[in-house]
Amino acid sequence: AQSVTQLDSHVSVSEGTPVLLRCNYSSSYSPSLFWYVQHPNKGLQLLLKYTSAATLVKGINGFEAEFKKSETSFHLTKPSAHMSDAAEYFCVVSGGYQKVTFGTGTKLQVIP
Amino acid sequence: DADVTQTPRNRITKTGKRIMLECSQTKGHDRMYWYRQDPGLGLRLIYYSFDVKDINKGEISDGYSVSRQAQAKFSLSLESAIPNQTALYFCATSDRSNSYNEQFFGPGTRLTVL
Repeated sequence: AQSVTQLDSHVSVSEGTPVLLRCNYSSSYSPSLFWYVQHPNKGLQLLLKYTSAATLVKGINGFEAEFKKSETSFHLTKPSAHMSDAAEYFCVVSGGYQKVTFGTGTKLQVIP
Repeated sequence: DADVTQTPRNRITKTGKRIMLECSQTKGHDRMYWYRQDPGLGLRLIYYSFDVKDINKGEISDGYSVSRQAQAKFSLSLESAIPNQTALYFCATSDRSNSYNEQFFGPGTRLTVL
């Protein structure tokens, strides 16, 4: 079985403060993990991916995520939020048989 | 230039009508997917195709059908649309040589069934 849980459906931060979007997963296989971002009325863009190399993964626009196997987590972070970061973020796991499972999404609001 | 394109981008239709959503890609990928997105539910897989002769149902295929006309084209049909099929639909592609199955998404089609 494979699943993804995004622990917060909405996160609100002030501009310039850190961002933390939480994701927990379960998989019977050694998974690959992704974060995608969806800006309003746009498609999904890949932010970063973990594919069993380094556990700390750096992505675009200053985002990074750390794969923690013991905690089955892959939280997304950014040191300083920008207004342009306001969007919906999806955590995705890819496990056995090329099966891909999406989380339900976290909407990030950035307050000026 | 967009690598994965979807047409139409927006469509309003009536209950009972047949509608087709089209997806084309220039990435040269062999695998293509159709998802629907509903608020609070994330993306759910409708159908996927690993090559032209391979079509598979996803988790929510009832009420939908697909056609893989060529490696680059994958169409989704709603034979008789119903209001609960109102959603945002995404096409995606991936390359079989990519062992971790990174997917590339089109811009989406917003479908409203009245």
